[in-house]
Amino acid sequence: NAGVTQTPKFRILKIGQSMTLQCTQDMNHNYMYWYRQDPGMGLKLIYYSVGAGITDKGEVPNGYNVSRSTTEDFPLRLELAAPSQTSVYFCASDSLPGQGLDTEAFFGQGTRLTVV
Amino acid sequence: AQSVTQPDIHITVSEGASLELRCNYSYGATPYLFWYVQSPGQGLQLLLKYFSGDTLVQGIKGFEAEFKRSQSSFNLRKPSVHWSDAAEYFCAVGEGDSSYKLIFGSGTRLLVRP
Repeated sequence: NAGVTQTPKFRILKIGQSMTLQCTQDMNHNYMYWYRQDPGMGLKLIYYSVGAGITDKGEVPNGYNVSRSTTEDFPLRLELAAPSQTSVYFCASDSLPGQGLDTEAFFGQGTRLTVV
Repeated sequence: AQSVTQPDIHITVSEGASLELRCNYSYGATPYLFWYVQSPGQGLQLLLKYFSGDTLVQGIKGFEAEFKRSQSSFNLRKPSVHWSDAAEYFCAVGEGDSSYKLIFGSGTRLLVRP
């Protein structure tokens, strides 16, 4: 069981370039999330999705876009990369948050992105 | 705006000693509360969560946390720390009445002395 898989693990971008961070989960979870983690800080929610075809903004969505065409995949798109987007990005998925103590969010191992 | 405060950036304890990591939140109603652990180079793993009911919550790896409404706190405890517990610990609260849009604290790094 692979869980939540993120690719790539590391990437260096030049200012103004664009890229897509891939996230896929094989647990048939409806809820998926993208977070960023800056050094010495907690995670901040970028975008989330409660099911295929449905996405919504989180706390820090500017400079990012997402899509959710399938249950499994939730790619994060960076357009016109900026140094402020240097961070570690985590994707997560959840089945039925809030429905019981046996549900939890599963996190990928992260993508470390540097914009120079 | 809601917030989560973890006042201790670093904590060092000896192996076998007890541990308490502090977490305070701001929210008027009963929040959804979480503790996550992050090992170096890894994603986050859920230790425990509080939604309602019993204010003392048991989690994995021998951790527990107590929700205290009067103090707006959700402190994480472990009676005897193992060297493998060295990691970063994050407290989080659900935004508003959401259990899935989380607001994280800045984390507490736990170091364990042999």
